[in-house]
Amino acid sequence: QVQLVESGGGLVQPGTSVRLSCVVSRFVFSSYAMHWVRQAPGKGLEWVALISNDGSETHYGDPVKGRFIISRDNSKNTLYLEMKSLRDEDTAVYYCARGGGLAVAGIIGGDFDSWGQGTLVTVSS
Amino acid sequence: DIQMTQSPSSVSASIGDRVTITCRASQTIYDWVAWYQQHPGKAPRLLMYSASRLQSGVPSRFSGSGSGTDFTLTISGLQPEDLATYYCQQAYSFPLTFGRGTKVEI
Repeated sequence: QVQLVESGGGLVQPGTSVRLSCVVSRFVFSSYAMHWVRQAPGKGLEWVALISNDGSETHYGDPVKGRFIISRDNSKNTLYLEMKSLRDEDTAVYYCARGGGLAVAGIIGGDFDSWGQGTLVTVSS
Repeated sequence: DIQMTQSPSSVSASIGDRVTITCRASQTIYDWVAWYQQHPGKAPRLLMYSASRLQSGVPSRFSGSGSGTDFTLTISGLQPEDLATYYCQQAYSFPLTFGRGTKVEI
């Protein structure tokens, strides 16, 4: 069974930074594009970022562009999300997700076929 | 950005009923659509991809259809464990976008 485990969430002050991690197991990490998807309390799902399987290509949602950085270390089976200049509206559960079989803009993995349990980031003073 | 308009926002149904959820894209996305189920307090789960392909392990009472701009998720024979919120998602272009969700109540 594919496993994805997020960590790094917590209470942070506006304007500060935090880094989330997602450690994966039971699949060949370097073969898959990966995503971060978030969900504000009581709200729907919002895609945050994608990174290609080899890390050469990244894409971001407009609300986080220029503030968040997605990266990966294939030798450690770990996905990261560096979040800077945090705002109240960034408060959400952050999920890491494995890219599925749909191709988006030439990248295989435009859907999300496995998800972690999520880590809550609360931005508040 | 491609907008995904999902309806209804909620539906109340009885066990054994057929439930239909629709999603309309703001431009053609061919069959680049996926559907997810999310139980309260849990991570989402992929149900369908490419509009009509059933993800491995998903019960066959779930089905999907549509192409272009209009898509449908159908639950044939609603079960108690189907109480959840369902989301559509387009994978045609960046930014990837979701519908606002449909809450299915038993």
